[in-house]
Amino acid sequence: DIQMTQSPSTLSASVGDRLTITCRATQSISSRLAWYQQKPGKAPKLLIYQASSLESGVPSRFSGSGSGTEFTLTISSLQPDDFATYYCQHYNSYSLPFGGGTRVEIK
Amino acid sequence: QVQLVESGGGVVQPGRSLRLSCAASGFTFSSYTMHWVRQAPGKGLEWVAVISYDGSDPYYADSVKGRFTISRDNSKNTLYLQMNRLRTEDTAVYYCARGIGGYVSNYFDYWGQGTLVTVSS
Repeated sequence: DIQMTQSPSTLSASVGDRLTITCRATQSISSRLAWYQQKPGKAPKLLIYQASSLESGVPSRFSGSGSGTEFTLTISSLQPDDFATYYCQHYNSYSLPFGGGTRVEIK
Repeated sequence: QVQLVESGGGVVQPGRSLRLSCAASGFTFSSYTMHWVRQAPGKGLEWVAVISYDGSDPYYADSVKGRFTISRDNSKNTLYLQMNRLRTEDTAVYYCARGIGGYVSNYFDYWGQGTLVTVSS
């Protein structure tokens, strides 16, 4: 089965910072990768699908890139509402693994 | 607006059974693949099971295969997860989620609020 690995697992940042989170697959998944944001006690929220397509209503400071085995989620200018945990998820098989998550905390 | 509302969670002893439900509204339920995703306390997300729009194709994570059964009643706009032979490691918040982007190989555009299942003696 394909495994997804995110890095870093925790990231300390300040409002206004540019952030990049990486997600790697153990084999090629084409561009079938999604990113989610989750806040404590809440359900995940879809941010990006097909590696780089922004979900409707998601602020344009979020962007995704990559294909094959390496992908990135970038937040161009971190806002107070963005402190959360972010997960990647691959959807190119009958198992739908998530990465382990990246927690973005206030520096 | 799309709404997914889970119910049926609670505290159950190891080896016992529990059935979760997810009531859907605000979209044509019978047109969408549906999933269950879980999250153990303080841990990450784990996909559990998927069922095709018409109920003909279910798939499961290896961790629950043979113990859990996903089903749906399109006349009632409801998704189910029958959980048998529960283990302590099944303790988690269980989310139902709407799948999109393929037949069953989906990403998830809408999620419920989750229901907590605690397996403990």
